[in-house]
Amino acid sequence: AQSVTQLGSHVSVSEGALVLLRCNYSSSVPPYLFWYVQYPNQGLQLLLKYTTGATLVKGINGFEAEFKKSETSFHLTKPSAHMSDAAEYFCAVSADNYGQNFVFGPGTRLSVLP
Amino acid sequence: SQTIHQWPATLVQPVGSPLSLECTVEGTSNPNLYWYRQAAGRGLQLLFYSVGIGQISSEVPQNLSASRPQDRQFILSSKKLLLSDSGFYLCAWRGQGARQPQHFGDGTRLSIL
Repeated sequence: AQSVTQLGSHVSVSEGALVLLRCNYSSSVPPYLFWYVQYPNQGLQLLLKYTTGATLVKGINGFEAEFKKSETSFHLTKPSAHMSDAAEYFCAVSADNYGQNFVFGPGTRLSVLP
Repeated sequence: SQTIHQWPATLVQPVGSPLSLECTVEGTSNPNLYWYRQAAGRGLQLLFYSVGIGQISSEVPQNLSASRPQDRQFILSSKKLLLSDSGFYLCAWRGQGARQPQHFGDGTRLSIL
């Protein structure tokens, strides 16, 4: 079975500062990893995904994430935060096709301070 | 391209009333379908998922039920709503294969009075 932990339920950064949202996973087989963003009263939107190949993955809105197998991590970063980045961010892991093995982390709320 | 439709966007229902939320997917066939609930300020709770017509798996015992009468239609129902059923309900679909992400609808905000 897979599991996901996201360190920090709430992260605050200043506008223009580096954004770092942490995600660690547990998986008995090679994982596929995803980051989603959720704005208030909206559904989740896929930011980026890692399946195979390059371990540094670039996504929408200037975000990127790096898969580090040795650390079982898939942290999300953005060099310079914008006010519009304030949202909830979810990391997810998949290892097979069935519903119970697509697991979301608890989420991290990102606040961006002016 | 694929799209997912979920309605209504908001719903206010009295305690004890029935519920029917509908979700449809366009542009793909044989998707995996999911219903989630989010309580205020909380994460995602998987309620049901379906890998095919008439095939429903329940993750959490509750007074909700789900049905999949057609390949791309997923319905969430209740015969009698409880106050604890309030929340934000999200439908999602996923293509076949472990590498496929889930794709979400816009959600339904359900308030029980």
